[in-house]
Amino acid sequence: AQSVTQPDIHITVSEGASLELRCNYSYGATPYLFWYVQSPGQGLQLLLKYFSGDTLVQGIKGFEAEFKRSQSSFNLRKPSVHWSDAAEYFCAVNAGNMLTFGGGTRLMVKP
Amino acid sequence: NAGVTQTPKFQVLKTGQSMTLQCAQDMNHEYMSWYRQDPGMGLRLIHYSVGAGITDQGEVPNGYNVSRSTTEDFPLRLLSAAPSQTSVYFCASSRQGGRNIQYFGAGTRLSVL
Repeated sequence: AQSVTQPDIHITVSEGASLELRCNYSYGATPYLFWYVQSPGQGLQLLLKYFSGDTLVQGIKGFEAEFKRSQSSFNLRKPSVHWSDAAEYFCAVNAGNMLTFGGGTRLMVKP
Repeated sequence: NAGVTQTPKFQVLKTGQSMTLQCAQDMNHEYMSWYRQDPGMGLRLIHYSVGAGITDQGEVPNGYNVSRSTTEDFPLRLLSAAPSQTSVYFCASSRQGGRNIQYFGAGTRLSVL
């Protein structure tokens, strides 16, 4: 069975600083990987996805993620964080019809 | 575009009461699913459906029932609510297959006293 681990429960960064959120997955075959963002009281919005090909994928709101098969990782990055990026971020892997989520990382942004 | 619509947004139940969480989508998606979200545990799959008349269990199905009589609707039933079912519930839909993006509703916040 697949699993996803997000090692950092909370991260605080200063506005304008760079950001990296970690995601490690376990899955026997080539995974379909996703990052979602959830603002307070809202549903989940897709940031980006990886299916195959170029291992660096671009998403919305200036986010990108890099798939590293050797490390079973799919880390999310942003060069310069904005206060509006404060939210909870979820990494997920899809195997067939089942989407498995990590526990989430809550991002706080300091002014 | 309505997308995925969940009702109600909030609900308080007493232990032992029953209720149905409604989910409807207008995108003609074959696949629909229910998740619960608990702090530190991400979203966990309760039940899913790959089409009308077909449902299957996810990771945490106990205490919940589902049915899929139409493509559009996928209600989640709690037959006898327990405090352990206090959570935020999300419905999602997508086209079939792992490459397809799942679209989420805004959620239902449920408290069981």
